Amino acid sequence: GAGVSQSPRYKVAKRGQDVALRCDPISGHVSLFWYQQALGQGPEFLTYFQNEAQLDKSGLPSDRFFAERPEGSVSTLKIQRTQQEDSAVYLCASSLDGGVNTEAFFGQGTRLTVV
Amino acid sequence: AQSVTQLGSHVSVSEGALVLLRCNYSSSVPPYLFWYVQYPNQGLQLLLKYTSAATLVKGINGFEAEFKKSETSFHLTKPSAHMSDAAEYFCAVSETGNTGKLIFGQGTTLQVKP
Repeated sequence: GAGVSQSPRYKVAKRGQDVALRCDPISGHVSLFWYQQALGQGPEFLTYFQNEAQLDKSGLPSDRFFAERPEGSVSTLKIQRTQQEDSAVYLCASSLDGGVNTEAFFGQGTRLTVV
Repeated sequence: AQSVTQLGSHVSVSEGALVLLRCNYSSSVPPYLFWYVQYPNQGLQLLLKYTSAATLVKGINGFEAEFKKSETSFHLTKPSAHMSDAAEYFCAVSETGNTGKLIFGQGTTLQVKP
């Protein structure tokens, strides 16, 4: 596609429910990032993939958060047993090679509301 | 560890007035710095970036930013605000290690009054 696509755009989950958020990066982009953006805050890094390898998951807030990119393209961020503090916009970004000189392109995000 | 501080969570200017959005960074190594814009219900769009070349960086939509090492600042400016500039602006620094991982400030909401 022309840009990074995320689905669903909006998700309402009951507390305790599991959710899966999908990211379709730009075709051919090697690097993929997930960020969490709480209301009124800047995005915060969650995890980073280079192809199918998850090279950094230091930002995942708990073991309830899990991300995968099995074929080096589409990525899924899964949150188990959602809690109210998980409510946020989850942003996905991809870049050609992940270097600092390479622009990261962001998707529109998935707004997760846990009730 | 790197960090970014954006001074002023809300800035309001009149259409045609100068836009100045402040960003200060903390980094133990020469930083790579970025400004992103986020329109409502949209993803982040890169406005400009500093990667140790010219200290005055020109971006899209008439925005520019100047890297000042002595002040650890990377303020964003635009000579004349347009109504379409109303958005959220984020300053970010790239973490060392060349992974492309970004550390963002808390953002500044720019309001443009007619």
